[in-house]
Amino acid sequence: GAGVSQSPSNKVTEKGKDVELRCDPISGHTALYWYRQRLGQGLEFLIYFQGNSAPDKSGLPSDRFSAERTGESVSTLTIQRTQQEDSAVYLCASSWQGAREPQHFGDGTRLSIL
Amino acid sequence: SQQGEEDPQALSIQEGENATMNCSYKTSINNLQWYRQNSGRGLVHLILIRSNEREKHSGRLRVTLDTSKKSSSLLITASRAADTASYFCATDAFELTGGGNKLTFGTGTQLKVEL
Repeated sequence: GAGVSQSPSNKVTEKGKDVELRCDPISGHTALYWYRQRLGQGLEFLIYFQGNSAPDKSGLPSDRFSAERTGESVSTLTIQRTQQEDSAVYLCASSWQGAREPQHFGDGTRLSIL
Repeated sequence: SQQGEEDPQALSIQEGENATMNCSYKTSINNLQWYRQNSGRGLVHLILIRSNEREKHSGRLRVTLDTSKKSSSLLITASRAADTASYFCATDAFELTGGGNKLTFGTGTQLKVEL
C-alpha cells in the first residue's frame, strides 16, 4: 500500500497481558516514530528509529514498553504487563529522514485495557 | 507545559467564515509543522514552515511564523464543514549537534464548522 499501515486497528485486552502492535512504514522511509495519544490529548513521543542508528528511546514511559525495527521496514511496539493507564491510541509515523520533513501517519491502534 | 500549545482549545464557526488557530512554543526551532486529525484517524500533514520563513500559503491555508515571539498561526479561509477536525502544531527543536530528530506536538485545537 501507499500509506503507513498499523495493525490491529483495535485491541482489547485484560490488565497484566502483553500486547504487540505493528507498523508498516512507507517503503523507503528511513525514519519511523511511535506516539501515544490519550483521549482528547496531543501526541506523546515514545521512540524514534532512523536507519541503522541506535533508536531514541527517550519517550518510553517505563521498562514495560519496548520497540524493535527490522532494517528500514516493519516495527513492533510491545507493552508488557499492561496497565489500565496504557489505554490510548498508539500512532506510528514515517518520514524520509527525520523531523525536518513531513511525517506520514497510520490510523493507529486503539488499545483498551480492561 | 508542552513545547507547542494551541489556542483556542476549541473553535466553532459557520461555513464560509475564516478560522484562525495559534500555536506557541518555547525553544528555538528548525521548522514548525501543522497537522490535521479527523476523528479516529491518524494525522495528516498540512504545511511546513522553516525558521527562516515568515509566511506560507497552501490553497485555503495560510501559516505565519514569528520566531521572535515563538508563535505561529494557521488561517483557514472560507471554511467548509469538511474542515471539521483537530489541528496540531509540531516543532522540530533546534539542537547544536545535528539538529532535532523528533517533533513535539501541541495539545491541538478542535475546529467545528457548522452548516
